[in-house]
Amino acid sequence: GEDVEQSPFLSVREGDSSVINCTYTDSSSTYLYWYKQEPGAGLQLLTYIFSNMDMKQDQRLTVLLNKKDKHLSLRIADTQTGDSAIYFCAGGAGGKLIFGQGTELSVKP
Amino acid sequence: KAGVTQTPRYLIKTRGQQVTLSCSPISGHRSVSWYQQTPGQGLQFLFEYFSETQRNKGNFPGRFSGRQFSNSRSEMNVSTLELGDSALYLCASSIGTSGGASINEQFFGPGTRLTVL
Repeated sequence: GEDVEQSPFLSVREGDSSVINCTYTDSSSTYLYWYKQEPGAGLQLLTYIFSNMDMKQDQRLTVLLNKKDKHLSLRIADTQTGDSAIYFCAGGAGGKLIFGQGTELSVKP
Repeated sequence: KAGVTQTPRYLIKTRGQQVTLSCSPISGHRSVSWYQQTPGQGLQFLFEYFSETQRNKGNFPGRFSGRQFSNSRSEMNVSTLELGDSALYLCASSIGTSGGASINEQFFGPGTRLTVL
């Protein structure tokens, strides 16, 4: 089955850029997603990229997709303390998403 | 539009009991998916219902079941609870278009936290 891997932790200073990485095994996903989960809350869709694209920019967020290496990354520019959360990458089709284990982002003032 | 609602938000049960969780999707959404989130296994897909039919199923034992009603509301049931069933159960709704180039964005509810003692 599909496997999605993420590093568990990332710590950055406020104002720096954060880069969260993800690798996946299944190439059949039409879209790849980044979700954010704050403590005690459900998941919030941050952004997504169509599998035929290499890059997508959405305000402070930049998604890069390397299909050859099956590598997805999320860059957050000018990271703020409010960005502290767990970030999940996910792939899949229809109503079935396969999630990575999540990367806990800690932003230090 | 109201978001996805899940009831109850918290639940405590003992081993061997059964439990029913409820999910009300966003108005107009016909697909409801269920996920289990635990510290050890992360987020795992349970099943998806679309127009009252199970469309996708994850790798969970038969103790986990679900259904969807004609108004798209969904319930999931876990019978003969085990300690390992303690988790946050998340439901997500979407319009439900399948395949093709259209994104089928899933909107998540806040979850039901189930504790099995």
